[in-house]
Order: sequence, then structure tokens, then C-alpha cells
Amino acid sequence: DVVMTQSPLSLPVTLGQPASISCRSSQSLVYSDGNTYLHWFQQRPGQSPRRLLYKVSNRDSGVPDRFSGSGSGTDFTLKISRVEAEDVGVYYCMQSGHWPLTFGGGTKVEIK
Amino acid sequence: EVQLVESGGGLVQPGGSLRLSCAASEFTFSTFEMTWFRQAPGKGLEWVSTIGGSGGDTNYADSVKGRFIISRDNSKNTVELQMNSLRAEDTAIYYCAKGQWGDCWGQGTLVTVSS
Repeated sequence: DVVMTQSPLSLPVTLGQPASISCRSSQSLVYSDGNTYLHWFQQRPGQSPRRLLYKVSNRDSGVPDRFSGSGSGTDFTLKISRVEAEDVGVYYCMQSGHWPLTFGGGTKVEIK
Repeated sequence: EVQLVESGGGLVQPGGSLRLSCAASEFTFSTFEMTWFRQAPGKGLEWVSTIGGSGGDTNYADSVKGRFIISRDNSKNTVELQMNSLRAEDTAIYYCAKGQWGDCWGQGTLVTVSS
């Protein structure tokens, strides 16, 4: 199975400051078709998960442009350019290029 | 707007069975894979099973293989998860999602396996 490792576990940030979450996979997520199937999800307290980015860097509809994704191969990053109060929650990366689909353990973003 | 509404959760004894259902609307259901994920209390997300658009292609997590069966009815826009031989470790909120990549998620339904 592809193991997804996120860091940090917890990320206290000041409102208006940037935040960065790392996600590393145990093997390359570049699929045979050339695509990289790495996605990011946000789960606000008490809510269902919501996808933010798909295939590394493509923002879903309605996702603010302060969220961006980058990376390749086995090393990926989610960045929030300026954290807002509504960004509090747990963020997960997920790979869908190999069965079984696997998630990172999550990064909890909180306001300092 | 895409809507996914799960139902069928509840309290069941170890070894028992439960059938979850997910009603989908506002998208062309038969053209999308559908996926079940779950989240144990206070834990992270876990993939459970995915079914292809026609229903002929299914995949399962090792933890549920042989016990859970995913199916869909494209005439009713529903996807179901038949859960048999339930264990305490199956206790979780179960979410259905559009697509293999979790494009959109329902609100979830809680399954509690306990005596």
C-alpha cells in the first residue's frame, strides 16, 4: 500500500499569515497516463470533508485562491497564503493512483 | 448543486449486518464512480470501497473485503453498502462521495457496532 505521511501534525498559525502542509508518499504518484493523482481535503470542525484541490494543484469550484498546491513524484505541499478564521480544521492529502486509496494522517490547523 | 444523502446507519451488535444507502442528485449519476469512505470517532479518513459507473467494477479495502458489498442502481441514482459480519472496529461515520477522488461528500451516517 502507498503510505502517505503528513507534517506537521498540528499547525498553529496567526491570522493573515501563511501556512504550509507537507505530504509525502512512499512511492511515486505519477500514474502511467502521466497524471499525478494527489488530492487535498479540508474538514472543518463538525463537518464532512470537502475537496480543495485535485491532481496536485487544481482548485475545486468555490475554493478561495489563497489555497494552492504544488509538488511532484513523492513530495507535495498545500499552502494557504493568508490564513483566515474559516480555515480552521483538519487537512488531509489522499492518493488515488494506486489501490487501495490512502490518506495522510491529517494536519490540524488552528489559530494562535 | 450536487447532493448526496446517506441513510441506514445505527447501532448493531458484533457479527450483525447493516445496509447503508446513498441517494444522489443533480449530476449524471451513471457516468461517475461512487465511493464510500469512513471515519472512526476522533480518527482520520479511510477509503472503504469504490464502484464504477456501470456497477461492474468494484474495489475494496482489505479491512472490509469479503464482508462488505458495494452496489448501485442507476435507475434510482442510489449506491449502497451491504455490511456483514460487523466488528467493533467498523464503528465510524460512513460517507458516500461522488467519484473516485471524492469530488463531493454527503453528510455521513453513523454506524456503531457494540453489544
